[in-house]
Amino acid sequence: DVVMTQSPLSLPVTLGQPASISCRSSRSLVYIDGKTYLNWFQQRPGQSPRRLIYYVSNRDSGVPDRFSGSGSGTDFTLEISRVEAEDIGVYYCMQGTHWPLTFGGGTKVEIK
Amino acid sequence: EVQLVESGGGLVQPGGSLRLSCAASGFTFSNYWMTWVRQAPGKGLEWVASIKRDGSEQYYVDSMKGRFTISRDNARNSLYLQMNNLRAEDTAMYYCAKEEEAAAGLLDNWGQGTLVTVSS
Repeated sequence: DVVMTQSPLSLPVTLGQPASISCRSSRSLVYIDGKTYLNWFQQRPGQSPRRLIYYVSNRDSGVPDRFSGSGSGTDFTLEISRVEAEDIGVYYCMQGTHWPLTFGGGTKVEIK
Repeated sequence: EVQLVESGGGLVQPGGSLRLSCAASGFTFSNYWMTWVRQAPGKGLEWVASIKRDGSEQYYVDSMKGRFTISRDNARNSLYLQMNNLRAEDTAMYYCAKEEEAAAGLLDNWGQGTLVTVSS
């Protein structure tokens, strides 16, 4: 199985400051169709997960442009340019290239 | 607007069975792969199973293979998860998620979840 390793586990942030989450996969996530099935999800307290980013760097409709995704192969990053209070929650990366689909362990973003 | 509404969760004894349902609306259900994901209390997300548009292919996490069965009824716009021989470690919130037309692994919309508790 592809192991998705996120860091840090916890990310205390100051409102208005940037934040960055790393996600590393144990195998390349480039599929035979040339696409990289790497997603980022946000889960606010008490809510269902919501997809923010797909194919590494494509933002979903309605997602603020302060969120951006980057990376390739096995190393990926989610960045928040200026953290706002509504960004508090747990963020998960997930690979959809290889069966079984696997998630990272999550990064909890909280206010300092 | 895409809507996914799960139901069927509840309290069940170890060894028991439950059938979860997910009612879909706001999109052409038969055109999309669908997926179940679960989340144990206070824990992270775990993929459970996915099914192709026409139901001809199903994929499962190894630990649930043989106990869980994913299925769909495209005429009823519904997704199901039959869970047998339930264990305490199956206690979790179960979410259904819509996939893309051509493949799974993208989970672009999620339901609100249904809670399964396995306990005597």
